Amino acid sequence: EDQVTQSPEALRLQEGESSSLNCSYTVSGLRGLFWYRQDPGKGPEFLFTLYSAGEEKEKERLKATLTKKESFLHITAPKPEDSATYLCAVRDAGNMLTFGGGTRLMVKP
Amino acid sequence: DGGITQSPKYLFRKEGQNVTLSCEQNLNHDAMYWYRQDPGQGLRLIYYSQIVNDFQKGDIAEGYSVSREKKESFPLTVTSAQKNPTAFYLCASSIVFRAGELFFGEGSRLTVL
Repeated sequence: EDQVTQSPEALRLQEGESSSLNCSYTVSGLRGLFWYRQDPGKGPEFLFTLYSAGEEKEKERLKATLTKKESFLHITAPKPEDSATYLCAVRDAGNMLTFGGGTRLMVKP
Repeated sequence: DGGITQSPKYLFRKEGQNVTLSCEQNLNHDAMYWYRQDPGQGLRLIYYSQIVNDFQKGDIAEGYSVSREKKESFPLTVTSAQKNPTAFYLCASSIVFRAGELFFGEGSRLTVL
């Protein structure tokens, strides 16, 4: 059974304080790892897809990286508007998607 | 603008009642999904459909039913058989071969009184 574990569950940062969110996974035949952002009371918004170890993707202050066992979402010099829950998901060889529980990020001005 | 529309946004239901949540998309996506989100838990798949008139059970299909009569529409019925229906329900769509890159609706919050 595929498993996705995200840590920490919650993270408080000061504006400008860089940090990383972790997504550890076990999956039978990785067909992609996906990051989403979810604002309170809204549906998740797709951010990145990573397919193979060593791959990196960037968007504004966010950079996602992938190893064989985990992915990191690095947030550089965050702003209050980066506050959200960040979700990680993996797709397996059977095309099924498994989501982690998310990391709630709070950035204080 | 293309997107997914879910309605209603908030819904209250008495125990023993069936309710239907609407999901419409104009993205021309073949695949559509229903997820349930509970506090502190990951999204759990209820049902999905990759083509009109066909759908598959997800991990937690018991107490739910769906239909896919049109490409654009994938309504979810929460039946009285669902033991704990209070949750946030999310509809999503995707291109079939990019099944991890989902476009989500705004969600429907169901509360059972």
